[in-house]
Amino acid sequence: AQSVTQLDSQVPVFEEAPVELRCNYSSSVSVYLFWYVQYPNQGLQLLLKYLSGSTLVKGINGFEAEFNKSQTSFHLRKPSVHISDTAEYFCAVSDQVAKDTGRRALTFGSGTRLQVQP
Amino acid sequence: NAGVTQTPKFQVLKTGQSMTLQCAQDMNHNSMYWYRQDPGMGLRLIYYSASEGTTDKGEVPNGYNVSRLNKREFSLRLESAAPSQTSVYFCASSGTSGRFSEQFFGPGTRLTVL
Repeated sequence: AQSVTQLDSQVPVFEEAPVELRCNYSSSVSVYLFWYVQYPNQGLQLLLKYLSGSTLVKGINGFEAEFNKSQTSFHLRKPSVHISDTAEYFCAVSDQVAKDTGRRALTFGSGTRLQVQP
Repeated sequence: NAGVTQTPKFQVLKTGQSMTLQCAQDMNHNSMYWYRQDPGMGLRLIYYSASEGTTDKGEVPNGYNVSRLNKREFSLRLESAAPSQTSVYFCASSGTSGRFSEQFFGPGTRLTVL
């Protein structure tokens, strides 16, 4: 079984400061990794994903994440945050497609609320 | 192109009442999902449908039933609502081409069971 741990439930940061949101996962098989963002009262939007290849992944809105297989981590970073980045961020993992059902379900972490202050 | 739509946006039920949450997607996706979101727990999979005519249980299926009415629509039914089902419910859909297809989420249904 796979699991995702987001180490910080809330991260307060001042505008224009750098930020890192931490994510660790456990899985016995190869995985795909994702970060989703949820703005207040909205659904989830894909921020970035790691499927294979380069371990540094760039996403939308200036975010990037680095896949570290040895540390089973996929931390999200942004060098300079804006007020508009205030949202909840979810790390998620998907194992390989189940051969019988074709399911590509996601396992989510508990979320990190990023609060950007002026 | 509306993406994934959900109705209703809000609902208040009394314990024991039933209701159906509706979800539709216009992206011609094969796979559809129902998740619930609870504070501090992220999203948990209730049921999914890999293709039209098939459904299967996820992590927390107890107290729910689903129907994949056609390729576009995937409904979630609570037969006898309980306070523990107070949550925000999200529907999602994805294609099946390639190694992974992004899941697209609806805006959610906020359900309160009194």
